[in-house]
Amino acid sequence: GAGVSQSPSNKVTEKGKDVELRCDPISGHTALYWYRQSLGQGLEFLIYFQGNSAPDKSGLPSDRFSAERTGGSVSTLTIQRTQQEDSAVYLCASSPGDTQYFGPGTRLTVL
Amino acid sequence: GQSLEQPSEVTAVEGAIVQINCTYQTSGFYGLSWYQQHDGGAPTFLSYNALDGLEETGRFSSFLSRSDSYGYLLLQELQMKDSASYFCAVKGGGNKLTFGTGTQLKVEL
Repeated sequence: GAGVSQSPSNKVTEKGKDVELRCDPISGHTALYWYRQSLGQGLEFLIYFQGNSAPDKSGLPSDRFSAERTGGSVSTLTIQRTQQEDSAVYLCASSPGDTQYFGPGTRLTVL
Repeated sequence: GQSLEQPSEVTAVEGAIVQINCTYQTSGFYGLSWYQQHDGGAPTFLSYNALDGLEETGRFSSFLSRSDSYGYLLLQELQMKDSASYFCAVKGGGNKLTFGTGTQLKVEL
């Protein structure tokens, strides 16, 4: 079946603009995660959705970052008033249990 | 909180065996995972250890010692295509993973 998909694959924006990044998880996966990866760095946890439970937002770096997951499926990560330090690859993963399956990521560049 | 340490870079020759170590300090621990990431690609799952001991999957094996807060990934019969970054990740409560900073493996002829 289809894997995790993310859109757009690349996004270039100007400082101060808002951006929305989309993640379509694997059908039936109850858990969905967002990570951020800067060049040559590890994965920084941002937010985690599990079923209908309240999301774990402990990794969001500031209140400019928010995410929602509609109908237990598609998720959108929104970054308001983007800053240059937000430039990174944003990865989404879904999971049925222990293993996380990653999407190809969205490369965000803030000019 | 969680913190993980792994070497930043390892170099080995094709056909050799290489071990990538990972030590961790966690407030909750349910298991240790390993992920592979090629340049420009997404991380892909390699292995998961919830219990002490060695798990073998083809050329790759992973080991865990919970008493030592230590694990390793063992890659045998190295191939050029194994050149990638390898991340260990600790599973804490609620299926949340905390990733290490990654080890870049370079396989040379």
